[in-house]
Amino acid sequence: DQQVKQNSPSLSVQEGRISILNCDYTNSMFDYFLWYKKYPAEGPTFLISISSIKDKNEDGRFTVFLNKSAKHLSLHIVPSQPGDSAVYFCASSNTGNQFYFGTGTSLTVIP
Amino acid sequence: DAGVIQSPRHEVTEMGQEVTLRCKPISGHDYLFWYRQTMMRGLELLIYFNNNVPIDDSGMPEDRFSAKMPNASFSTLKIQPSEPRDSAVYFCASNAMDRSGANVLTFGAGSRLTVL
Repeated sequence: DQQVKQNSPSLSVQEGRISILNCDYTNSMFDYFLWYKKYPAEGPTFLISISSIKDKNEDGRFTVFLNKSAKHLSLHIVPSQPGDSAVYFCASSNTGNQFYFGTGTSLTVIP
Repeated sequence: DAGVIQSPRHEVTEMGQEVTLRCKPISGHDYLFWYRQTMMRGLELLIYFNNNVPIDDSGMPEDRFSAKMPNASFSTLKIQPSEPRDSAVYFCASNAMDRSGANVLTFGAGSRLTVL
């Protein structure tokens, strides 16, 4: 059973607007959450992370929000750029060394 | 550092053949992971090693799959015999610390396997 779920397989956004990618998890013991970005024919690359003791982490145009009571996290990209077009994976961990990934959301930023 | 190195990048084989995928982790990383990417299940953990020792192989789908890590700089994932449903992209990853000191996986470019 999927412990991490990304219910939107795809998302299209106009350049300059906000992209919001969502992720839900089931295990309340998860204490660390990450977002990865993947371009075609490449491996996923780390984008941003957040610890369960925080509810927000920001890095440039990327912000991750964590709502522990809802077991939900989201990634905001503002402003969106065409180069952000990729598949985004959400991941969660409860041991620090075992990571559970979602199925990914394909983001297309339209110029 | 060259990052996590995987080979081959692409493999096309026929059902019943043996397939061996290879991985060289980043030097100094203690953990190595094998993942499989499919449309239905996303990135699925198959097995991971710590200091060359397999820790959790519960994600290995069947006995046809096996993985080894004979030393700190090399790991293999073997499928014997291969079946069409094994067609997927297989990723190797090793761990690193991000700026906050938390563990972050660094992935290789993947090996795309097609079993006809």
